[in-house]
Amino acid sequence: ETGVTQSPTHLIKTRGQQVTLRCSSQSGHNTVSWYQQALGQGPQFIFQYYREEENGRGNFPPRFSGLQFPNYSSELNVNALELDDSALYLCASSSPGRSSTDTQYFGPGTRLTVL
Amino acid sequence: AQRVTQPEKLLSVFKGAPVELKCNYSYSGSPELFWYVQYSRQRLQLLLRHISRESIKGFTADLNKGETSFHLKKPFAQEEDSAMYYCALRSGSARQLTFGSGTQLTVLP
Repeated sequence: ETGVTQSPTHLIKTRGQQVTLRCSSQSGHNTVSWYQQALGQGPQFIFQYYREEENGRGNFPPRFSGLQFPNYSSELNVNALELDDSALYLCASSSPGRSSTDTQYFGPGTRLTVL
Repeated sequence: AQRVTQPEKLLSVFKGAPVELKCNYSYSGSPELFWYVQYSRQRLQLLLRHISRESIKGFTADLNKGETSFHLKKPFAQEEDSAMYYCALRSGSARQLTFGSGTQLTVLP
């Protein structure tokens, strides 16, 4: 069983640029959730994709957008980067269905630095 | 809106001592609560969930709806328990997790 993978590991961008982060879900999982973790804070929910459609969104502006592909991998896109976007971005995948016991499995994260 | 509070950013105990990591939540519905752990240089991973009523690595957590708490406990801490611990509440149509800010546990020899 392959775990959740994310790329790149680290990324440095400047204000105003755009960035794309990638996530491959664990084998058999069709749901991907994205979280932002600022330094010293817990992860904060950005949005979730289920079967290629957005299935819920946290309190993030529209410049945060995403995609999910037929193989259930996902991208997080951030436009017009701001300094406060500097954070660790985590991707989590979970099992199909709506079982009360489904678990989110996290990737190692992508560290984004905005200068 | 839901909220998870972990009042202690740092907690140090000696090996063999009991440890309790506090977690309080605010949520209008029926809560689903979890503890996640992140060991040094490892990814975030599930430790336990209240619905399973399980003990993992000697840790237990009991949901107290009256006090809106889900404290994590272990009677005898080990050095390998040193890690960052996050309490999380699952809610919403996406069943997303709302995390607390975490408690860094250090178990001293």
